[in-house]
Amino acid sequence: KQEVTQIPAALSVPEGENLVLNCSFTDSAIYNLQWFRQDPGKGLTSLLLIQSSQREQTSGRLNASLDKSSGRSTLYIAASQPGDSATYLCAVRGFQKLVFGTGTRLLVSP
Amino acid sequence: DADVTQTPRNRITKTGKRIMLECSQTKGHDRMYWYRQDPGLGLRLIYYSFDVKDINKGEISDGYSVSRQAQAKFSLSLESAIPNQTALYFCATSDSGTGMYNEQFFGPGTRLTVL
Repeated sequence: KQEVTQIPAALSVPEGENLVLNCSFTDSAIYNLQWFRQDPGKGLTSLLLIQSSQREQTSGRLNASLDKSSGRSTLYIAASQPGDSATYLCAVRGFQKLVFGTGTRLLVSP
Repeated sequence: DADVTQTPRNRITKTGKRIMLECSQTKGHDRMYWYRQDPGLGLRLIYYSFDVKDINKGEISDGYSVSRQAQAKFSLSLESAIPNQTALYFCATSDSGTGMYNEQFFGPGTRLTVL
C-alpha cells in the first residue's frame, strides 16, 4: 500500500526566504506526482505535475523535483511571499488513483 | 465560471438523514472522483468513475453511494448520515490516460457536518 509523508508538517518563515518542502513515498511504481496548494476553506489548486519519466518541473517561483528511485520529491519556493501562505499537498498517482500526503502548512510573515 | 462546481458548499444535517452532494464540471473530462478530507488524515478516495457507465469503489466507500448521471455530473449520497461522516468533501476530474493528461482538478469542496 502506497504511503505518502510530508515533512515538516508546519513551517514558518520570514518573507523573502527560499524554502523547500519535502514529500516521500513508499512505492516507486508511480505514474506521476502532483503538488497542490490548499487555502483555508477552499479547494485544491494544482501547482505542478511531474511525470514519472521527468526529473523536475518549474512554474514561476516554484520548482518541483522527483527522484522516483528514492521515493522523494521536493517543492522549492523561491523568494517566498505572504501570499504563499497555505497548505501544500503532494500526491502520487498509482494505478487509477492519487494517494495524498497530509500536507505542510506554510506561513510566510511580512 | 469555475470548471468544477460543487453544491451545496456547506451543509449541516442530523444523524440518519439522507444527503446528496453534487458535482458538475465543464472541463470535458471523462474521469470524476469523490474524496473526503479529515484533519491529520489527508484526502482519501471514496468513489471514482472513468466514464458514465463505470463506477468504482475507493478506499473508504462504506456508507456512501454515487451516481454518474452524465459525463459532466457525479453525485455522492450518504444514505443515512452519521457523525463520523463530518468532513470536507471534494470532487475532482481528470482526462483519461496514464500519460500527461491525467492531472486532477478539484472543486471548492463541501463542508458537511452531521450532528
